[in-house]
Amino acid sequence: LAKTTQPISMDSYEGQEVNITCSHNNIATNDYITWYQQFPSQGPRFIIQGYKTKVTNEVASLFIPADRKSSTLSLPRVSLSDTAVYYCLVGDDRAAGNKLTFGGGTRVLVKP
Amino acid sequence: ETGVTQSPTHLIKTRGQQVTLRCSSQSGHNTVSWYQQALGQGPQFIFQYYREEENGRGNFPPRFSGLQFPNYSSELNVNALELDDSALYLCASSPGGGGYTFGSGTRLTVV
Repeated sequence: LAKTTQPISMDSYEGQEVNITCSHNNIATNDYITWYQQFPSQGPRFIIQGYKTKVTNEVASLFIPADRKSSTLSLPRVSLSDTAVYYCLVGDDRAAGNKLTFGGGTRVLVKP
Repeated sequence: ETGVTQSPTHLIKTRGQQVTLRCSSQSGHNTVSWYQQALGQGPQFIFQYYREEENGRGNFPPRFSGLQFPNYSSELNVNALELDDSALYLCASSPGGGGYTFGSGTRLTVV
């Protein structure tokens, strides 16, 4: 299973764009990149998933370079409610028996 | 809102006791996984079930066991509780790809 490395914490201000980069040098051909958000005492919430290039949904964008050895989650115009821990996961969750492997995550603090 | 419901939300047990945690998944979600999350850590994979069969297990001892039922519900059983078992236990389900849906968890405290 590919291991991920992401910053421990990041601070930002309301209205700014937050970019969190995750390194996954040994990503496998079948692996997808998935990001989850977690608030205290709640379960992680799926944000976005991608395989290559760029994926965008109503809450975030995911940028994946051609070599797929890293990815960047972009949160546009954050608000105080975006303060949470963000996890980058790499794996093929489409395959039976494949587990999600969480790292330590990135603690994002959005300040007023 | 989440389609995965866990019960109870909080639980206090004494060391050496046994506990059963329950999870109700969304209809059609044939895959269910259980995770243990200690304070300040990322969730750690316990095991996964697919169509009522265990098909993946993390680095947890046999006293952690589970069941998945045809009605998309599942259980996590922990025997001989230890103080270090105190954690948030998360259930996650998936229809088979595209992301997992997590419940809000059960906060277990072992005293």
